[in-house]
Amino acid sequence: SQQGEEDPQALSIQEGENATMNCSYKTSINNLQWYRQNSGRGLVHLILIRSNEREKHSGRLRVTLDTSKKSSSLLITASRAADTASYFCATDEGGGFKTIFGAGTRLFVKA
Amino acid sequence: DTGVSQDPRHKITKRGQNVTFRCDPISEHNRLYWYRQTLGQGPEFLTYFQNEAQLEKSRLLSDRFSAERPKGSFSTLEIQRTEQGDSAMYLCASSLRSRLAATPGANVLTFGAGSRLTVL
Repeated sequence: SQQGEEDPQALSIQEGENATMNCSYKTSINNLQWYRQNSGRGLVHLILIRSNEREKHSGRLRVTLDTSKKSSSLLITASRAADTASYFCATDEGGGFKTIFGAGTRLFVKA
Repeated sequence: DTGVSQDPRHKITKRGQNVTFRCDPISEHNRLYWYRQTLGQGPEFLTYFQNEAQLEKSRLLSDRFSAERPKGSFSTLEIQRTEQGDSAMYLCASSLRSRLAATPGANVLTFGAGSRLTVL
């Protein structure tokens, strides 16, 4: 089962532009995470936002969370070719330790 | 400790054969997860362990799939009588239960590189 749904499914931008990805989920959560997966590799944790937080920053990443709408967004500012990857949101279904991933957004940054 | 290790990285087998994947988590992590990922999709949850106890199994995990984590260390995922539909990347991840009351449910996963299965 997949809890989160990312939007858009794919995104192509020029280097230097900002990229925004959205995630919607279904059940109550304690926190929401974003992961990145480069082609053919394992997933890497990027950032975690708790249910009582509305916005969080980490370097060029900005995450927002709206628990009333059950949605989150990931903004990557000043994108680089190295940001080309798939990005997944993940939630702890029902607030437990079963971490469920969405289908992902495939980001392509053109140099 | 260099992270989560998975073995083998690639496995090609004929339909009907059994295969086993191994995962060595980060040594101090007490939770271990198995996911399956097909091309263009997100990781699908299969099962997870807390120490040696298997706490949840997905309905995706048919009777042909079995996972173990003896002694709460490494884990194995066995697929019996493989089918072509089992072809996928099998990902293992581990996490540490936070003892800090300020971070309940902070379940950050560290993933291995995955084991790619191709069933002919």
